[in-house]
Amino acid sequence: QKEVEQNSGPLSVPEGAIASLNCTYSDRGSQSFFWYRQYSGKSPELIMFIYSNGDKEDGRFTAQLNKASQYVSLLIRDSQPSDSATYLCAAKGNFGNEKLTFGTGTRLTIIP
Amino acid sequence: DAGVIQSPRHEVTEMGQEVTLRCKPISGHDYLFWYRQTMMRGLELLIYFNNNVPIDDSGMPEDRFSAKMPNASFSTLKIQPSEPRDSAVYFCASSFEGARQLSSSYNSPLHFGNGTRLTVT
Repeated sequence: QKEVEQNSGPLSVPEGAIASLNCTYSDRGSQSFFWYRQYSGKSPELIMFIYSNGDKEDGRFTAQLNKASQYVSLLIRDSQPSDSATYLCAAKGNFGNEKLTFGTGTRLTIIP
Repeated sequence: DAGVIQSPRHEVTEMGQEVTLRCKPISGHDYLFWYRQTMMRGLELLIYFNNNVPIDDSGMPEDRFSAKMPNASFSTLKIQPSEPRDSAVYFCASSFEGARQLSSSYNSPLHFGNGTRLTVT
C-alpha cells in the first residue's frame, strides 16, 4: 500500500463546474498536507497546504482535511480549461521529518 | 531569484555509461531533495539533505545511485552504470524549513527545478 493514494483518473469536468479531487494517506504521523499542480512537461507547483482539520479556502480552491479518516481533498470551483493538469497530493511529518511523500496524481481535464 | 537550477535538461545515454545530474538550490534554503518521476510510480523521493548532510537515502534504488552535496549551493546525483529502467524525469527541489521548529503551522513550499529528462538506451 502506498503511503499516499489518489485516483489516477482521468477526471473530466465541464467548464464552470466544481472539480473534486481526493487523497488518502496511511501514516497517522503525517501533519501537513499539500496540493501541487503539474502541467504536462513541467515541474510541480504548489497550490496550497493544510494542517488543521476542516476547510481552507484560497480563491477558487478549497482544501479539506479529516485526520480521523486520513482523508484530504481539493475542490476547484468555477473550473477553467487552464485548470487541466495533474494534481498531486503530498504529506509531510512533524518538524525533524521533512520528507514530503507524493501520491501518483490525478489527471484533471476541464471540458469547454 | 533564479529558482532551482538543474542541468542538463535532457540526457540521452547508452546503457552502462555514467550519468551525472546537477542541481543548484535556491540561496538560503536548508533542505535539498532529489525526486524521480515515472508514469508508473509517480514522484518518488530518492534522497534529501539538510544543511548539506544526507538525512534519508532510503529511496535510492540501489548502489548504482549516489548523491552528494559538497556545499550549500550545489548537489549531484550520479548513476553508474546506467540502465534503461533508470529512464525518468529527475527533479531537484529545495525548501527552507528553519522556521518550522518555531511554529508547527509553518510550512515552506517545495521549489522544484525544471527537471532532467534521462533516457538510457
